[in-house]
Amino acid sequence: QQPVQSPQAVILREGEDAVINCSSSKALYSVHWYRQKHGEAPVFLMILLKGGEQKGHDKISASFNEKKQQSSLYLTASQLSYSGTYFCGTDRNAGGTSYGKLTFGQGTILTVHP
Amino acid sequence: GAGVSQSPRYKVAKRGQDVALRCDPISGHVSLFWYQQALGQGPEFLTYFQNEAQLDKSGLPSDRFFAERPEGSVSTLKIQRTQQEDSAVYLCASSPRSGAAGNTIYFGEGSWLTVV
Repeated sequence: QQPVQSPQAVILREGEDAVINCSSSKALYSVHWYRQKHGEAPVFLMILLKGGEQKGHDKISASFNEKKQQSSLYLTASQLSYSGTYFCGTDRNAGGTSYGKLTFGQGTILTVHP
Repeated sequence: GAGVSQSPRYKVAKRGQDVALRCDPISGHVSLFWYQQALGQGPEFLTYFQNEAQLDKSGLPSDRFFAERPEGSVSTLKIQRTQQEDSAVYLCASSPRSGAAGNTIYFGEGSWLTVV
């Protein structure tokens, strides 16, 4: 089942903050966050594991609420380079059986203006 | 190379034509994935290889789709008798290990397929 991302789109001015949410109806083992610019590869931002969190970038952080089966991505003091589509990818398999098959949300389009 | 490399970047195929899309993963990466991305949507899983073994092909939409990774490095996704609904970006991804825990998955830029 595909995770649901919200909001679908965000428009910011440089320096403003944003939060992108990713919710699943199924229990999650890990959540992977990516940013994709048009015509380019999705770029890895960070992984959040059940019972832990990994921070991938400065000023971009994330949380993982296992009970609520959701993750949130926080972008602070946004820069023009943050513009793109953000995807969460979820892995429902436990560590021993997981191999990285991800189910992606529909994406959140983030636009940062000067 | 430094990243996942895919070719061709762009392919226009006539309906009914066969196409082959190539993926060069990051050197030494054990895991290789193919995803399909429709316009405005997130990537959807097609198939997974661990070295040369295809362990999961549950996402392949029909028997017209076939993937291989014969020597555990380069992979090819083949689509036979292409149809218009096959038009999409085909993304290849690789990761250094076979488990997902703390395992970064790196994507290529994709092969854009348009079937006319």
